[in-house]
Amino acid sequence: AQKITQTQPGMFVQEKEAVTLDCTYDTSDPSYGLFWYKQPSSGEMIFLIYQGSYDQQNATEGRYSLNFQKARKSANLVISASQLGDSAMYFCASASSGNTGKLIFGQGTTLQVKP
Amino acid sequence: DAGVTQSPTHLIKTRGQQVTLRCSPKSGHDTVSWYQQALGQGPQFIFQYYEEEERQRGNFPDRFSGHQFPNYSSELNVNALLLGDSALYLCASSLYPPGHEQYFGPGTRLTVT
Repeated sequence: AQKITQTQPGMFVQEKEAVTLDCTYDTSDPSYGLFWYKQPSSGEMIFLIYQGSYDQQNATEGRYSLNFQKARKSANLVISASQLGDSAMYFCASASSGNTGKLIFGQGTTLQVKP
Repeated sequence: DAGVTQSPTHLIKTRGQQVTLRCSPKSGHDTVSWYQQALGQGPQFIFQYYEEEERQRGNFPDRFSGHQFPNYSSELNVNALLLGDSALYLCASSLYPPGHEQYFGPGTRLTVT
């Protein structure tokens, strides 16, 4: 079974600063993927970034990067140069590499960007 | 290029009633997954449809059933509604087998009174 833990219910960051959202995972699958999604107040889940468990380098997508530490089972999301539009709920999720259709989500972290 | 669409946007039902939610996948996608997101929680996987068959299922009772049509659109049916079924229901589409990009719709907010 897989489990995702996000220990920060809410975070604040000043506009233009960087922020790290924490995620730890627990899985017995030998190969798996880790995901981050953004959910604005509108409700739609927006895919941000993906990291495969065997990827040698940390994933990056524009202002988003994933700090993957396999031994510590952590997959933290780093958002650089925060913008007001980054204010939203952020979810970390995992899936077995053989079953990426079934995402297991954490509880989420609410991020508020202050002007 | 139309993204994932869901209808209706909001729905209010009474306990014991039945409800049907609809989802049209992103153009070119053939797989639909459904998730339930209770208020303040992360989404939970309900089931996934491909080639008009349920391919896998999460830990949800048989009151939750679904269907996929030849045009890849999908329905989620919930019978004998309980107050605890109040949630945002999200539909996600992808190609099969699902890779690491699933596209989510805006969701249907179901309130059971």
